[in-house]
Amino acid sequence: DAKTTQPPSMDCAEGRAANLPCNHSTISGNEYVYWYRQIHSQGPQYIIHGLKNNETNEMASLIITEDRKSSTLILPHATLRDTAVYYCIVRVVNNAGNMLTFGGGTRLMVKP
Amino acid sequence: DSGVTQTPKHLITATGQRVTLRCSPRSGDLSVYWYQQSLDQGLQFLIQYYNGEERAKGNILERFSAQQFPDLHSELNLSSLELGDSALYFCASSSWVDSGNTIYFGEGSWLTVV
Repeated sequence: DAKTTQPPSMDCAEGRAANLPCNHSTISGNEYVYWYRQIHSQGPQYIIHGLKNNETNEMASLIITEDRKSSTLILPHATLRDTAVYYCIVRVVNNAGNMLTFGGGTRLMVKP
Repeated sequence: DSGVTQTPKHLITATGQRVTLRCSPRSGDLSVYWYQQSLDQGLQFLIQYYNGEERAKGNILERFSAQQFPDLHSELNLSSLELGDSALYFCASSSWVDSGNTIYFGEGSWLTVV
């Protein structure tokens, strides 16, 4: 699986949008971009994933550049409960499943 | 609630002992994954099972072993425990049919070796 690069930490004001960048310049055509977060030693929580189109769900939006070399996770109205480590992971998906390889992630601190 | 259940939630044991961590995947998920998270290592993939068969192996020590049973639950066995084995152990599961193999994690088992 391709490696990703994320800033180690970011701050965001409560109620504002949090935009978390991820670089995956060596991504292959069959690799998806996944985002997970981990809130203080809880189990990693799935947020969203995409292949080439932008995606949105009830938690977040995922914007993938046209060349697929980078992406941005957007939390539209960050709350204090969104303080967590956010992981961007690229992964090939097949019918038996492939593991996720976690990097260091971005530690997002949402401040009042 | 991800639907992945892990027991026990907390476990304290002595060096040299053996423990078994249990995982019940989401209903119908055929793939089970085990991860270790210690303070200085981040989330490390240990092993994956798919429908009872080992599918992928990561940095799993020889003292550790796992299996997936016919009812799809899985167990991670840790033996000859050392202080450095103290960590959070996560189980996760996925299903191609249900979620395109998106992986969902349990809340983990805290292991403390003293």
